[in-house]
Amino acid sequence: AQSVAQPEDQVNVAEGNPLTVKCTYSVSGNPYLFWYVQYPNRGLQFLLKYITGDNLVKGSYGFEAEFNKSQTSFHLKKPSALVSDSALYFCAVRGNSNSGYALNFGKGTSLLVTP
Amino acid sequence: NAGVTQTPKFQVLKTGQSMTLQCAQDMNHEYMSWYRQDPGMGLRLIHYSVGAGITDQGEVPNGYNVSRSTTEDFPLRLLSAAPSQTSVYFCASSYSSAGGGGNTIYFGEGSWLTVV
Repeated sequence: AQSVAQPEDQVNVAEGNPLTVKCTYSVSGNPYLFWYVQYPNRGLQFLLKYITGDNLVKGSYGFEAEFNKSQTSFHLKKPSALVSDSALYFCAVRGNSNSGYALNFGKGTSLLVTP
Repeated sequence: NAGVTQTPKFQVLKTGQSMTLQCAQDMNHEYMSWYRQDPGMGLRLIHYSVGAGITDQGEVPNGYNVSRSTTEDFPLRLLSAAPSQTSVYFCASSYSSAGGGGNTIYFGEGSWLTVV
């Protein structure tokens, strides 16, 4: 089964510092990987995705993610964190045809950026 | 362009009551799905549809029914609400999923349901 894991429940970063939110994946075949962000009491907003091509993917709000096939990772990064980046972040992988290729999500990582 | 619209935003139900969560999208997406979000568990797939007239079960379908009579609408029906169905429900849609090359899935704003 296609799955992702987010090993950290919470990440704390000081404003202005770089941030990393970790994600590892387990798939058969080529992975289609996604990052979403959820602000309090809101829906999920798409940040970026990796389908093929360059291992460094750039997305919305200054976020980027690095696909690493040898480490089966897809970590989300930002060079300089903002307080407004505080939110819940989900990594996801496209599932198989038996789910209509629905996304399989990690459990989420809460990011707290302090002033 | 409204995207994916869910109603209601908040609802309190008594155990045993039934209700329907509405979902509509205006992007002509073939693929629609319902997820539930519970603390520490991420999002889990309830039901999905790859086109009008076609629905199928996801990971946690028990207690829920869906139908897809039009491309735009994908309502989720709770047959007899139970406290275990207290959750946040998200509707999502994308272009064709089958071999869709990783089409981005777009989410609604969520429906907060409490069953007492």
